[in-house]
Formats: sequence, structure tokens, C-alpha cells
Amino acid sequence: EAGVAQSPRYKIIEKRQSVAFWCNPISGHATLYWYQQILGQGPKLLIQFQNNGVVDDSQLPKDRFSAERLKGVDSTLKIQPAKLEDSAVYLCASSFHTSGPYEQYFGPGTRLTVT
Amino acid sequence: AQRVTQPEKLLSVFKGAPVELKCNYSYSGSPELFWYVQYSRQRLQLLLRHISRESIKGFTADLNKGETSFHLKKPFAQEEDSAMYYCALENNAGNMLTFGGGTRLMVKP
Repeated sequence: EAGVAQSPRYKIIEKRQSVAFWCNPISGHATLYWYQQILGQGPKLLIQFQNNGVVDDSQLPKDRFSAERLKGVDSTLKIQPAKLEDSAVYLCASSFHTSGPYEQYFGPGTRLTVT
Repeated sequence: AQRVTQPEKLLSVFKGAPVELKCNYSYSGSPELFWYVQYSRQRLQLLLRHISRESIKGFTADLNKGETSFHLKKPFAQEEDSAMYYCALENNAGNMLTFGGGTRLMVKP
């Protein structure tokens, strides 16, 4: 089966600019996750969708970050405006099941550099 | 709040030596624990989960609730084991995975 797809793979922007990331999960996977991984740290969950509804967004900085999952398939994560501290790898993951403990399948990530 | 701590950023061993990657957690409920691995230029992927009580690629991990630990072990390290290893904890609702900071394992020839 095809894996989780993400684009772009790399993005460089200046602070205060906006950026959007796209994720296409594995076909049939109900749950989709966005993580932020800052250099030298483990992934941190930003938001979790179950189909097209938000399950948890408690760690999403809502003043600048937004995410949507229209039609319960693809998802986009947006940052507006970006800050220097947003430089990180943004990982998308998906899971077939709606609750754990089940495996999450990760995409290759998008490396964001904010200058 | 749930927290996962991996005290070692880097662990370097020689091929054939035993390996133990430490993971300690803090969680008030009954945890579900995982080890994820990222090989060079590859995606983050599941290595093993404690509920399955399985051995994958020679690795095992035992949940010790008394010590709140879930250390990953392998009796004889191989060069292909070199990678980043992340311990992760899932809450009881099954909707939040918390990762540790990761340990880089380097297996020298």
C-alpha cells in the first residue's frame, strides 16, 4: 500500500510570512495526526483528526496555526504568520483505527526553515 | 500530564555488545507504550508495542510499572541497528501519543 504523502518536502520562508503543508494519509485511515519536531527533540502532537472532526488540538498554537481535513481525507496545516521558533520538521501520520493502541504510519515530513 | 524521558541522547556500542536504551514515563493511568525507530533517510516507524509482548529484530522491551520504565534491550547489537529510537506513551483515551526526546544508537564495527 502507498504510504503517507506530504508536500512540500522542504520550505524556506521569512518570518511573518505564511506557509501551508499538505498531507494525504493512507487510504482508509480514519485518524490523521500532525506533529511538530524541533531539532533534537521528539515529535510533539499538534492536532488529531478522526475523519473530518478534531479530536485533540490542545497543543496547537491557535493564534497562528490552523488545520483542516476536508472530506475526511487530505489535510492541510497552515502557519500565519510564521515565527523563527516555528523552524522544525512537520510530520503527518495516519492510523486505521480511531483509538489506540495501534500503529501510526508516518510521512516523510516537511522541513520548514524560518529566517 | 503525561511525560516520557529518554535520559541518553547518544548511545555508542560495539557490534555484538548488549544494548539497553532507557525510557521512563510519568502517567497517572495505565499506559500503553511503544518504541518507534527512524533509520537514516527513512520515515519514523513502529518497532514494537508493549501490549504485543513481541520481539522485533531481536529487540524486546518490558514494562515495569513499579519503576515506570520501558527500556529497550537487545543482547547483541548489529551495525544495522544504528538509528534514532523514540519511546512513546499513549493515554487511556487512545488519542494522544507523547514522545520522548529520542536516543541515537551508534553501533561501531
